[in-house]
Amino acid sequence: GQQVMQIPQYQHVQEGEDFTTYCNSSTTLSNIQWYKQRPGGHPVFLIQLVKSGEVKKQKRLTFQFGEAKKNSSLHITATQTTDVGTYFCAASISGNTGKLIFGQGTTLQVKP
Amino acid sequence: GAVVSQHPSRVICKSGTSVKIECRSLDFQATTMFWYRQFPKQSLMLMATSNEGSKATYEQGVEKDKFLINHASLTLSTLTVTSAHPEDSSFYICSARGTMGEKLFFGSGTQLSVL
Repeated sequence: GQQVMQIPQYQHVQEGEDFTTYCNSSTTLSNIQWYKQRPGGHPVFLIQLVKSGEVKKQKRLTFQFGEAKKNSSLHITATQTTDVGTYFCAASISGNTGKLIFGQGTTLQVKP
Repeated sequence: GAVVSQHPSRVICKSGTSVKIECRSLDFQATTMFWYRQFPKQSLMLMATSNEGSKATYEQGVEKDKFLINHASLTLSTLTVTSAHPEDSSFYICSARGTMGEKLFFGSGTQLSVL
């Protein structure tokens, strides 16, 4: 079936270091969304990318959508302990109405 | 932002019994609701998609007779795990999509433990 590959699975960083998680698909994506799930919590929507090559920023978070609309990344600058959690990408496949396919998630641990 | 309420948050049941989980959109009309299953430290696995007033669309490998989904109104969808077995123990989470766009609003999840 259709899959969205997300790497790395885990990332441990020292507070203040940067962090990046990547999502890749073999299929062209209609759009891609990013969610954050805190330990014990539920996923919370962060952002949606729609256009080829799109870059969006939310404070220390930078989201990119690849030119071919097959990959995306989330970059966090100068991580803080509040960034701890699992980050999921969720892709909407072109022509597949409504359904989102979630990546495996990247769990971020930040050491103070 | 939009709120999705999911109940119960935790349920323990005996093997062979049925459990109903409710998912309500509190301040918007959810045209589509999704049900996921999440194992510890793993991703969300889509189980089914439900649209108000129509039969749910189940993902491959998900037994529709075991996981009954009802989406009777624009604000309520229910998932019933019938004849539960210990292997059904998992975290079940719903999400809803309204008319404001494609982003999903998630419920807080239900931790099901089948003894």
